Amino acid sequence: EAQVTQNPRYLITVTGKKLTVTCSQNMNHEYMSWYRQDPGLGLRQIYYSMNVEVTDKGDVPEGYKVSRKEKRNFPLILESPSPNQTSLYFCASSPWVAGGTGELFFGEGSRLTVL
Amino acid sequence: GQQLNQSPQSMFIQEGEDVSMNCTSSSIFNTWLWYKQDPGEGPVLLIALYKAGELTSNGRLTAQFGITRKDSFLNISASIPSDVGIYFCAGREYSGGGADGLTFGKGTHLIIQP
Repeated sequence: EAQVTQNPRYLITVTGKKLTVTCSQNMNHEYMSWYRQDPGLGLRQIYYSMNVEVTDKGDVPEGYKVSRKEKRNFPLILESPSPNQTSLYFCASSPWVAGGTGELFFGEGSRLTVL
Repeated sequence: GQQLNQSPQSMFIQEGEDVSMNCTSSSIFNTWLWYKQDPGEGPVLLIALYKAGELTSNGRLTAQFGITRKDSFLNISASIPSDVGIYFCAGREYSGGGADGLTFGKGTHLIIQP
């Protein structure tokens, strides 16, 4: 089954404790992206990657890091989490078509709480 | 990145009613997508639109790509309880080969009263 898998789905942590949210897709998509969803703000892009070893900042990259060592994986790293990073996070992937990305496929989300 | 103006923010309707929501942008888009997010889940694509004026249906859902390429609407006919959720529009602006992702609206929260 074609899917985007995120882990963990739920996490409560404390300020400053490094954490990683993993994302894996089995559709051989070139493009992957991370979003955060907050009430009243919709989906905001954190980082994206057009292909292996190619990453770039989205609209709200501060406090986050990513890596793209393999095509299928795109982990999101919070080196020193803070309470304002409490949010619902979504990983998404898309095939790269002429002119830009195709349709985005989303994971089920990871709800992060930073105390 | 820019934001799309999606309205309404929320809708409280009776089961069986028709629903209409729309998105507008100051920029021209070459793709419009409509997603639905069920509680506790990630957004799922409902309809994709690629040409100005295009009208596409998916069951009780109908979406149109505006002629000006700056807007799109989604209609749901004869709503049922499982239509509850958040509906997002998303637009893509072709930038000549750059890493252009999608710009999302803030969502329309649909609530259906029995």
